[in-house]
Amino acid sequence: DADVTQTPRNRITKTGKRIMLECSQTKGHDRMYWYRQDPGLGLRLIYYSFDVKDINKGEISDGYSVSRQAQAKFSLSLESAIPNQTALYFCATSDAPPGEAFFGQGTRLTVV
Amino acid sequence: GQNIDQPTEMTATEGAIVQINCTYQTSGFNGLFWYQQHAGEAPTFLSYNVLDGLEEKGRFSSFLSRSKGYSYLLLKELQMKDSASYLCAKSQAGTALIFGKGTTLSVSS
Repeated sequence: DADVTQTPRNRITKTGKRIMLECSQTKGHDRMYWYRQDPGLGLRLIYYSFDVKDINKGEISDGYSVSRQAQAKFSLSLESAIPNQTALYFCATSDAPPGEAFFGQGTRLTVV
Repeated sequence: GQNIDQPTEMTATEGAIVQINCTYQTSGFNGLFWYQQHAGEAPTFLSYNVLDGLEEKGRFSSFLSRSKGYSYLLLKELQMKDSASYLCAKSQAGTALIFGKGTTLSVSS
């Protein structure tokens, strides 16, 4: 089984819909992250969490929210999806810095 | 800012050596990572430097100069399967890994 599991792997949704991307990890790490990847723009940080009670905005948090339900679970929500949120989304986890980040397989989201 | 700069694209031939450079802002530096990412897949860890110097791991090596805010990834004996994107990422206390935009390496025969 994968150390970091993202669901769904692919999703097509309509503009204005609410959608949640889920992430769970079995590494036992406290730190979890959500990144988005667009062609030519690399991985950009959306939100990160250093423990269950901690939530921090990243570089591009507008239009997104997160929930850290447990040490192992970190979900990303798009309250009202828009087409420019079409991207590949990655969840990751790491130990205390400068710990190596372990990534999920990604969720390809298309907003039409 | 967290500017991390690396070339957008590089090309090389099988069996050759290629060096991918990365520069970053030195403030708050806590370590420098390199990841490999094949198209549509998750990034995978290649190397990590926290002290100055060269870290060698098989065909891949990574170098760091903290005073210059500079790192490079050296790939030797290139193979077709090395065609991928290579991501430079800076670790900084109090925040998540910050990535550069990645360097797409194309290896031809």
